Amino acid sequence: QQPVQSPQAVILREGEDAVINCSSSKALYSVHWYRQKHGEAPVFLMILLKGGEQKGHEKISASFNEKKQQSSLYLTASQLSYSGTYFCGTENNAGNMLTFGGGTRLMVKP
Amino acid sequence: GAVVSQHPSRVICKSGTSVKIECRSLDFQATTMFWYRQFPKQSLMLMATSNEGSKATYEQGVEKDKFLINHASLTLSTLTVTSAHPEDSSFYICSARGAGTLQETQYFGPGTRLLVL
Repeated sequence: QQPVQSPQAVILREGEDAVINCSSSKALYSVHWYRQKHGEAPVFLMILLKGGEQKGHEKISASFNEKKQQSSLYLTASQLSYSGTYFCGTENNAGNMLTFGGGTRLMVKP
Repeated sequence: GAVVSQHPSRVICKSGTSVKIECRSLDFQATTMFWYRQFPKQSLMLMATSNEGSKATYEQGVEKDKFLINHASLTLSTLTVTSAHPEDSSFYICSARGAGTLQETQYFGPGTRLLVL
């Protein structure tokens, strides 16, 4: 079953923060976050494995709450280059296929 | 590392013809490759999963006789859309998963935009 992402779309001014959520109805082994620019393939951002760890690089970080079966992606001090559609992909078991959420369209304006 | 290429990037064909799309892992061995289809402003829908040397596993609703998948080696998988129709027009993306640390996630190719006239 497809994970649910929220919000579906968000518009930010440069420098503002955003949070994108991803919820699953099934127990998760891992959550993968990708960003896709229009007409391009998704680009891998990070993976979170069960254990509740928080990961991040630069101003993009994420958390994974195994008990709540959800993950959140945090974008701080957003830049114009952050614009795109963000997808979470969830995995129920190690080495299994990913099931992607519906995506969150993020637009950062100057 | 973990670069995946796709060819062609864009193809226009007439209704009834077949189109082959190649997916290659350039700097790693892909134990598993995945084929997705994405319609405008929608999510990635998994079509099939293929492991090298074995038959592909198709998702429900995907016709295996129409979408032929061949995973002949650890670096190459092909998707052939047979007797293409306008409703097959879409963005087709492959992804690959390797071994070791490269097994952690899927790496996507740049996608192939198919337009069937």
